[in-house]
Amino acid sequence: QKEVEQNSGPLSVPEGAIASLNCTYSDRGSQSFFWYRQYSGKSPELIMSIYSNGDKEDGRFTAQLNKASQYVSLLIRDSQPSDSATYLCAVNRSGATNKLIFGTGTLLAVQP
Amino acid sequence: GAVVSQHPSRVICKSGTSVKIECRSLDFQATTMFWYRQFPKQSLMLMATSNEGSKATYEQGVEKDKFLINHASLTLSTLTVTSAHPEDSSFYICSAQHLLAAEKLFFGSGTQLSVL
Repeated sequence: QKEVEQNSGPLSVPEGAIASLNCTYSDRGSQSFFWYRQYSGKSPELIMSIYSNGDKEDGRFTAQLNKASQYVSLLIRDSQPSDSATYLCAVNRSGATNKLIFGTGTLLAVQP
Repeated sequence: GAVVSQHPSRVICKSGTSVKIECRSLDFQATTMFWYRQFPKQSLMLMATSNEGSKATYEQGVEKDKFLINHASLTLSTLTVTSAHPEDSSFYICSAQHLLAAEKLFFGSGTQLSVL
């Protein structure tokens, strides 16, 4: 079992729709969860961080965390073509605050 | 925001040569830097954790004699790929942990290494 799992996609949504990206993780001791956006050939850019169960909203982005289910998701409202990128879920390894383990990423394509 | 400079952004070298990649935090001090490798259409794989003034900690399966890491100051870490071979061709990315905001990691722009 991979430490962090994501559906590789591509996930195709029309412009203006809600994009839903999902991630599961195996380490029950993980405390920090992150979503990064990565454009092709570029380094990751932090979109959201979440540390406690529930929802966290920032603009068009909402991160959701359910530690009991070991599940974290990212919702993107009013999707724009510029949101087209690979979204990486990252989870800290328990006992190592900033040692992040990344999922393989989900490729999101927003169709104009 | 905090800036991490990584260079070179792209390097092409012959098999058997060594390549040094620099990762520099420009406007903050970083006690810890991380080095990742990313193959096409795959995720970032953590290679090693670099702490200022001490030896790097390598992840399982990463050869420490192959990938030399030096973290001589609070703003600079280097990764040297020694005796590079075509299978070392990859995208290498560093990240730096802010001394005063440990929960935040800032990524460099990455280095695309191509070994002929």
